[in-house]
Amino acid sequence: DIQMTQSPSSLSASVGDRVTITCRASQGINNYLAWFQQKPGKAPKSLIYAASSLQSGVPSKFSGSGSGTDFTLTISSLQPDDFAIYYCQQYNSYPITFGQGTRLEIK
Amino acid sequence: QVQLQESGPGLVKPSETLSLICTVSGYSISSGYYWGWIRQPPGKGLEWIGSIHHIGSTHYNPSLESRVTVSLDTSKNHFSLKLNSVTAADTAVYYCARVGLSVPDYWGQGTLVTVSS
Repeated sequence: DIQMTQSPSSLSASVGDRVTITCRASQGINNYLAWFQQKPGKAPKSLIYAASSLQSGVPSKFSGSGSGTDFTLTISSLQPDDFAIYYCQQYNSYPITFGQGTRLEIK
Repeated sequence: QVQLQESGPGLVKPSETLSLICTVSGYSISSGYYWGWIRQPPGKGLEWIGSIHHIGSTHYNPSLESRVTVSLDTSKNHFSLKLNSVTAADTAVYYCARVGLSVPDYWGQGTLVTVSS
């Protein structure tokens, strides 16, 4: 199985900040990488697929980059609604696997 | 608007079979896409269980493959999950999702299934 490791595990930031979350794959996954946002008690929401493509309706404050083994999710101009847990997911090969999550908290 | 809704028992006894149904509205499951199940133990991360293509091919997580079955019922526009021989480790929120290019794009709200006697 491909292991996905996110860093940091938790992150404190202020409203208006720009933050970056990293996801590293244990082997190359081309650009088969997705990002999700999950709020307490809710299902995850798909943000990005193919490493950098925004899902329909997702604001451009979210951006993704990377290829191979190293990927980033950047969120600009943080708003209170952005504080959540973020997960990466690889779909280069089965079984599909997720990172352990990064908790983004308000400072 | 595609919507998915999980249903099934919230409590299952150890060694028994967990059975859930995901009812889809706003899209015909026979028209395309994979349809999948993902779970999340309380306070933990996400785990892919398996998925089924609209023409019937399946992919299962090898860690669960010996115990899991995902199937479609196109006449009722729903798909189902069966997980047998459950233990406390199977306690989780179970989500169903529409899966496009192996990325879940529409999710159900999730249903908590507790395994306990």
